[in-house]
Amino acid sequence: DGGITQSPKYLFRKEGQNVTLSCEQNLNHDAMYWYRQDPGQGLRLIYYSQIVNDFQKGDIAEGYSVSREKKESFPLTVTSAQKNPTAFYLCASTLTGLNNEQFFGPGTRLTVL
Amino acid sequence: EDQVTQSPEALRLQEGESSSLNCSYTVSGLRGLFWYRQDPGKGPEFLFTLYSAGEEKEKERLKATLTKKESFLHITAPKPEDSATYLCAVQAPNDYKLSFGAGTTVTVRA
Repeated sequence: DGGITQSPKYLFRKEGQNVTLSCEQNLNHDAMYWYRQDPGQGLRLIYYSQIVNDFQKGDIAEGYSVSREKKESFPLTVTSAQKNPTAFYLCASTLTGLNNEQFFGPGTRLTVL
Repeated sequence: EDQVTQSPEALRLQEGESSSLNCSYTVSGLRGLFWYRQDPGKGPEFLFTLYSAGEEKEKERLKATLTKKESFLHITAPKPEDSATYLCAVQAPNDYKLSFGAGTTVTVRA
């Protein structure tokens, strides 16, 4: 079955640690996105990538980093510089960046202890 | 900056009681308006894309409509399984990102 997978489902981090969230898709989509969701707020864009080896900052990129070495994979690293990382993180992909609906993965809930 | 406002924040319905959710938007041109359904602890599930004023789309008990300033999601004779948070998002021309509203949480009681 085609789709987007995210792992882990739950992640706990100690203050000062970097953690990496995985996102994989087998939809042959070109574009991939990372969003953050907090209670009572809309999804906010962290980073996006339209093509392998290229990515752009979204609205809240500070304290995060990404890579896009393969078309299928777009991992997100939450660094110790991110001051309030506790949130629900969602990965999405779309066939191309324009004029196509984005499809979402199941999400990773990150909690800082 | 694109803005999306959804109302109400929460909606409690009796099974069979039809209602509408509102999504008001401000965007420089509109490439598309998207509706998603999100269940607790899960990723959003795509429902509809609307591209121009006057357009309507339907799926089971859901019907989405679009004007130049807002979109409505009509839920006809809802069932408990329609309980979810409904998200609205807009995309501007030549923009790769979606701007999301905070969502409307719908609870349908049997």
